[in-house]
Amino acid sequence: GENVEQHPSTLSVQEGDSAVIKCTYSDSASNYFPWYKQELGKRPQLIIDIRSNVGEKKDQRIAVTLNKTAKHFSLHITETQPEDSAVYFCAATPPGGAGNMLTFGGGTRLMVKP
Amino acid sequence: EAGVAQSPRYKIIEKRQSVAFWCNPISGHATLYWYQQILGQGPKLLIQFQNNGVVDDSQLPKDRFSAERLKGVDSTLKIQPAKLEDSAVYLCASSLTAGYTFGSGTRLTVV
Repeated sequence: GENVEQHPSTLSVQEGDSAVIKCTYSDSASNYFPWYKQELGKRPQLIIDIRSNVGEKKDQRIAVTLNKTAKHFSLHITETQPEDSAVYFCAATPPGGAGNMLTFGGGTRLMVKP
Repeated sequence: EAGVAQSPRYKIIEKRQSVAFWCNPISGHATLYWYQQILGQGPKLLIQFQNNGVVDDSQLPKDRFSAERLKGVDSTLKIQPAKLEDSAVYLCASSLTAGYTFGSGTRLTVV
């Protein structure tokens, strides 16, 4: 089955700096890669996703890049703000139609210091 | 649209007791998932339903965990008997296509 590794496990940045979180996956057939943000005691919420036919996707201060050859994808947050502090999870899913199971990485705890 | 509803929000039980969690997915979402999230870890899939059929339950500890989705809508997850290592947040999610929507989860503490 799919295996997703995520690094770093914790990341501390100064407000205004950029943050980068990296994930690798094992199943070359995986074609959908979402990122979730989970604040303390709350549900994971989808913040951005990318499909394997796209190399990069951007949404305001958040961007995701995908390297299919190397089987890794990254989350980039620019101009970080204290409210970006949370645990971020990457995930991957193989193809096969609607409603496929996601395999999650171990999470990255991002702390943005004001 | 209404979100994924889960209850109870919190549950504390003693080991060897039984417990059940309930999930009501977003209306029209055929696919429903139960995930276990142990503190400090990413969610781990326990079982996936498509309508009322099981798609994947390979990671469900079937000696103690069971789940059903009889009418293809609501679902229940049961643990009997519970062990200390079952302490976790149990997240239900539903999807129409690839994107998931998670419920708020049930935080289970086994003492």
